[in-house]
Amino acid sequence: GAGVSQTPSNKVTEKGKYVELRCDPISGHTALYWYRQSLGQGPEFLIYFQGTGAADDSGLPNDRFFAVRPEGSVSTLKIQRTERGDSAVYLCASSLMRGPNEQFFGPGTRLTVL
Amino acid sequence: AQKVTQAQTEISVVEKEDVTLDCVYETRDTTYYLFWYKQPPSGELVFLIRRNSFDEQNEISGRYSWNFQKSTSSFNFTITASQVVDSAVYFCALSAYSGGGADGLTFGKGTHLIIQP
Repeated sequence: GAGVSQTPSNKVTEKGKYVELRCDPISGHTALYWYRQSLGQGPEFLIYFQGTGAADDSGLPNDRFFAVRPEGSVSTLKIQRTERGDSAVYLCASSLMRGPNEQFFGPGTRLTVL
Repeated sequence: AQKVTQAQTEISVVEKEDVTLDCVYETRDTTYYLFWYKQPPSGELVFLIRRNSFDEQNEISGRYSWNFQKSTSSFNFTITASQVVDSAVYFCALSAYSGGGADGLTFGKGTHLIIQP
């Protein structure tokens, strides 16, 4: 079956612009996670969805970051007024259900803010 | 607060050598889970193992083995008879699941393992 997919694979934008990053989880997976990975670092947790609701958004760095999952499947991470410090690889993962289960990761979206 | 420390930034060994990647964790929770993930040059994280805090048995899977010691808060990973294909960045991660707590993983900074032919 298909794994987690993320689009676009690369996104270059200018400082101050708005971007949307999309994640399509594995079919049937109810739990969805967003992480951010900066160069030379481990992934950093941003937000977790169980179904349609954001169960834990404690990792979002500030109110410029927002994520939705309106139908409990595809999720979109939205970043307003992008800053150069937002440049990173944004990873999406899904798992069958909530809890400490194996998370399946997508290939990531590399965001570059000029 | 949770923390995972991987003190080894980079390790380089010659093929067929054994290599151990260290992982030390911190958490106040009594129930927690530890993970290892592999990130090859292609970039996609691959799950290797999950271990809960109540199971201190060592685990072996082919050339891979894991040593979990609660007394030292460590969860080390050993590759026996390393191969070039093992070259990747390896991440140790922690999830302190208390039923209502965060489900996101806390990752270490990773160890870049280079296996030279």
